[in-house]
Amino acid sequence: DTAVSQTPKYLVTQMGNDKSIKCEQNLGHDTMYWYKQDSKKFLKIMFSYNNKELIINETVPNRFSPKSPDKAHLNLHINSLELGDSAVYFCASSQRGRGGRETQYFGPGTRLLVL
Amino acid sequence: AQSVTQPDIHITVSEGASLELRCNYSYGATPYLFWYVQSPGQGLQLLLKYFSGDTLVQGIKGFEAEFKRSQSSFNLRKPSVHWSDAAEYFCAVGGNTGTASKLTFGTGTRLQVTL
Repeated sequence: DTAVSQTPKYLVTQMGNDKSIKCEQNLGHDTMYWYKQDSKKFLKIMFSYNNKELIINETVPNRFSPKSPDKAHLNLHINSLELGDSAVYFCASSQRGRGGRETQYFGPGTRLLVL
Repeated sequence: AQSVTQPDIHITVSEGASLELRCNYSYGATPYLFWYVQSPGQGLQLLLKYFSGDTLVQGIKGFEAEFKRSQSSFNLRKPSVHWSDAAEYFCAVGGNTGTASKLTFGTGTRLQVTL
């Protein structure tokens, strides 16, 4: 059983297109995240949702819009794709713990290439 | 602001040799510390974590890490490296920032294992 799954695994698209990445977790967690890993392998948080409520929104262009239809799903929609959006996007989930003690579990990543 | 430094970008060890990957963090409160491993083309897998208590923590695959508050370090160790350990290793710090908890990652250390 895959704990955190993402679709698609690979995404190749043209500049200017709109695309979505989907994430699902079957761990029963209440918090989900999107991270971006750039070409130098640097990982940075983008968004976090807790019980479908946006709680972290880092400095990300508003072309990126997360949506959480329920606690088990967090999707990422990207409008007007740019070359610089090429990266690996990771979804993660965790269960909120006392005093912030929580462990994030990551999906396999979606490798986005914008041409 | 929280930050993580992994001073070694690339390390090469011989199979069977011991390994230590360095990690230094900066965090204003009690840090929660993690090590993740990323094999080529794969997602992030949790190796181990530290929340509190015993400062020497054991993880999967024979890895361990020691939290040293006085040195702001959380170095990862393995007594005998296997060829399958070749991967990218990320140290991360997390904590409670009110309603949200986010991970800040280091830039990673790429481990190469020679036979």
